[in-house]
Amino acid sequence: EVQLVESGGGLVQPGNSLKLSCAASGFTFSDYAMAWVRQSPKKGLEWVATIIYDGSSTYYRDSVKGRFTISRDNAKSTLYLQMDSLRSEDTATYYCAIQLRDWFAYWGQGTLVTVSS
Amino acid sequence: IQLTQSPSLLSASVGDRVTLSCKGSQNINNYLAWYQQKLGEAPKLLIYKTNSLQTGIPSRFSGSGSGTDYTLTISSLHSEDLATYYCYQYNNGYTFGSGTKLEIK
Repeated sequence: EVQLVESGGGLVQPGNSLKLSCAASGFTFSDYAMAWVRQSPKKGLEWVATIIYDGSSTYYRDSVKGRFTISRDNAKSTLYLQMDSLRSEDTATYYCAIQLRDWFAYWGQGTLVTVSS
Repeated sequence: IQLTQSPSLLSASVGDRVTLSCKGSQNINNYLAWYQQKLGEAPKLLIYKTNSLQTGIPSRFSGSGSGTDYTLTISSLHSEDLATYYCYQYNNGYTFGSGTKLEIK
């Protein structure tokens, strides 16, 4: 059974950093592209970033380019999202997901990030 | 590409045939998926590439459409279908619609 378990969310002040993790199991992690997708009441669902199966290529939405970094450790079957220079508009539940071609096939339960002073 | 879903709220009875609409601001070329999100849960993939049913999804769910206009149909509504449904396009970037909340009468 596919399992994706996010962690690392919490309350952080604007301008600070946070690193999210996603522990994967039940499938061959190193075979798949992975993504982060976020959801907030104000903006709804938004794709954030994608990393291909071996980590050699990454893609970001414009609003997080230069601030967020997606990475993976295939030996640990873990996906990461390093979030720097956080803004209030980054407040959301962050989901990791298995990306098949261009759609998100399986999602974790999410971790809440709140950016507020 | 912006996606407009309608209606935003739909109330229907168990056994009803339900149709949800998603309209793109540009041609989506059938690169459209549908997700179901139940309260407190993560979104779940129902359909990809307009009409391909994801593994394990009941056959009462189906998708159709072309160009800018797409539809998710539930042939016979079950009580467990209470959820918000999102369309998602991947023809040009990745964007989600704002959702249709489906209530059971």
